[in-house]
Amino acid sequence: QSVLTQPPSVSGAPGQRVTISCTGSSSNIGAGYDVHWYQQLPGTAPKLLIYGNNNRPSGVPDRFSGSKSGTSASLAITGLQAEDEADYYCQSYDSSLSGSVFGGGTKLTVL
Amino acid sequence: QVQLVESGGGVVQPGRSLRLSCAASGFTFSSYGMHWVRQAPGKGLEWVAVIWYDGSNKYYTDSVKGRFTISRDNSKNTVYLQMNSLRAEDTAVYYCARSGGSYRDPWFDPWGQGTLVTVSS
Repeated sequence: QSVLTQPPSVSGAPGQRVTISCTGSSSNIGAGYDVHWYQQLPGTAPKLLIYGNNNRPSGVPDRFSGSKSGTSASLAITGLQAEDEADYYCQSYDSSLSGSVFGGGTKLTVL
Repeated sequence: QVQLVESGGGVVQPGRSLRLSCAASGFTFSSYGMHWVRQAPGKGLEWVAVIWYDGSNKYYTDSVKGRFTISRDNSKNTVYLQMNSLRAEDTAVYYCARSGGSYRDPWFDPWGQGTLVTVSS
């Protein structure tokens, strides 16, 4: 049982927009800690996709965007492409656990 | 370029020990906190431990407290994870990652390629 809750799977056709939710609590996202997102392509290490709720590292396309409100956050992907098919994880800090926490991950399928 | 390379994984019997290493290059290692994150086969990511840039503070997830120890040698640009009293549930790919942001609100970037630890008799 992950501290942050994500849907197990989402899907969309090429060119469409999808969103992935990440729900936390008052000890993590709701306490004001930032949310970060990672993309894990099959058989590879995770890669930072969004940091500080809505910032993209250099090289990440602007098709990826993040937002945060209250105890939840979302990752939006527009103009879906076949190469976006991957697992996506949200991450934050939890004050009651004194450590970082992840969501359970969401598998994105491009139809 | 910034690079992290893990080593030391393998097959180990329950109750035994293993030490993982993560060699860093391409950045000023002594200025960054470092984390270990693991991923059990077919499962999600789990944060394991963090060590501050100077080794002054270390934090662990509850399931490894008292069994795992994170350490670093800034002269060798290397972070370690000493794993004792290993259990079957510790079986996972172990990644090291550089800390970004603040120590109370970090992100992980970049990540190493991972090293597989299998605990089995």
